[in-house]
Amino acid sequence: GAGVSQSPRYKVAKRGQDVALRCDPISGHVSLFWYQQALGQGPEFLTYFQNEAQLDKSGLPSDRFFAERPEGSVSTLKIQRTQQEDSAVYLCASSSRSRDSYSNQPQHFGDGTRLSIL
Amino acid sequence: AQKVTQAQTEISVVEKEDVTLDCVYETRDTTYYLFWYKQPPSGELVFLIRRNSFDEQNEISGRYSWNFQKSTSSFNFTITASQVVDSAVYFCALSDPEETSGSRLTFGEGTQLTVNP
Repeated sequence: GAGVSQSPRYKVAKRGQDVALRCDPISGHVSLFWYQQALGQGPEFLTYFQNEAQLDKSGLPSDRFFAERPEGSVSTLKIQRTQQEDSAVYLCASSSRSRDSYSNQPQHFGDGTRLSIL
Repeated sequence: AQKVTQAQTEISVVEKEDVTLDCVYETRDTTYYLFWYKQPPSGELVFLIRRNSFDEQNEISGRYSWNFQKSTSSFNFTITASQVVDSAVYFCALSDPEETSGSRLTFGEGTQLTVNP
């Protein structure tokens, strides 16, 4: 399909394990975002990439969270030494940029990865 | 700081009723965008509308309509003649200016809409 693809759809890990979540954005989309959505809450911003550059990581909750997008396409969100409070749905979104409107093109979201830490 | 408030946590209606979802926002920016997203049980956030802060015209798209009032910092969403398939969580969101954060979205807590047959 042509939408944002995230994998795995579900991930269960034991406390202390490292996990890696993958996001494949819409082809050609320059901007890529990660959000964390706790149960019953709205998504909260984690980090933002423009191509391969991580321009904003102010939403990452701790230094255990790390994101990369080395070739400006696929992105990986890694969480080290997972803790129970990391349990949430992790959403990836991408958006395009246009010459006449630099910003605020609608973000298109994937289905998310539901992470459960036991 | 940016903030979005959706005071209605849950709304339940009977099919064919009209329903309005409220959204109030706070921002110090003069230029911003407002959005509504729908999140069905499958989990994907589906984009519904984007509104520029300079454009206060109301918009209608089929059974959906949006009322943007800058004077009251509100961006309400009305579904006319609701259907069971409209059941979902609806999120209102506000974007940061591009210069600082690439249009990161600040979401409200969401409103769970249940349309009963």
